[in-house]
Amino acid sequence: AQTVTQSQPEMSVQEAETVTLSCTYDTSESNYYLFWYKQPPSRQMILVIRQEAYKQQNATENRFSVNFQKAAKSFSLKISDSQLGDTAMDFCAFMKRNSGGGADGLTFGKGTHLIIQP
Amino acid sequence: GAVVSQHPSRVICKSGTSVKIECRSLDFQATTMFWYRQFPKQSLMLMATSNEGSKATYEQGVEKDKFLINHASLTLSTLTVTSAHPEDSSFYICSVYSGLSYEQYFGPGTRLTVT
Repeated sequence: AQTVTQSQPEMSVQEAETVTLSCTYDTSESNYYLFWYKQPPSRQMILVIRQEAYKQQNATENRFSVNFQKAAKSFSLKISDSQLGDTAMDFCAFMKRNSGGGADGLTFGKGTHLIIQP
Repeated sequence: GAVVSQHPSRVICKSGTSVKIECRSLDFQATTMFWYRQFPKQSLMLMATSNEGSKATYEQGVEKDKFLINHASLTLSTLTVTSAHPEDSSFYICSVYSGLSYEQYFGPGTRLTVT
């Protein structure tokens, strides 16, 4: 079984600042994906960014980038130029990939409540 | 990504009754769907994996006779909470898995309140 740990229950930054959310995981699997999801007050889960474990290059999506350290089992999310709309619960998640293209369900961390102050 | 709907968005039922929650993939045929539960101020916990045409796989600690899952078509999975009790009150979220993108697409969730 795998575990995902988010050690920051809450983070608060000023608008336009850069913030980094930490995530570590533990697994014995070699074929997996890592994700960051955000859950705004509407509670709709929204994918922010994903990383394939076999790729060394860190994923980026506009203002969002990750620092994936596979050996250290670390997967942090950096949000640049933070905006008020970034206020949400942010979850780090692990998904084991199975042979044949299937996958297991997601294992989530406990989440970080990110608050962007005006 | 896939568009996923859930119905109802919120439901209140009396203790001892059963309630059915539907999860539909509106534009994508999904062999695999997942059901999660989220208690207030907590994270999402995987309940079960729903595979089209076969029995669901339940996570440890989830009662399969209490949470009945049916995945009769490639676009619909249902979760029935049988003999609901107040402790079953929670936010239930489904997701649709794409083997092409290796991503899960989430429904908007269903808030269940058992009185």
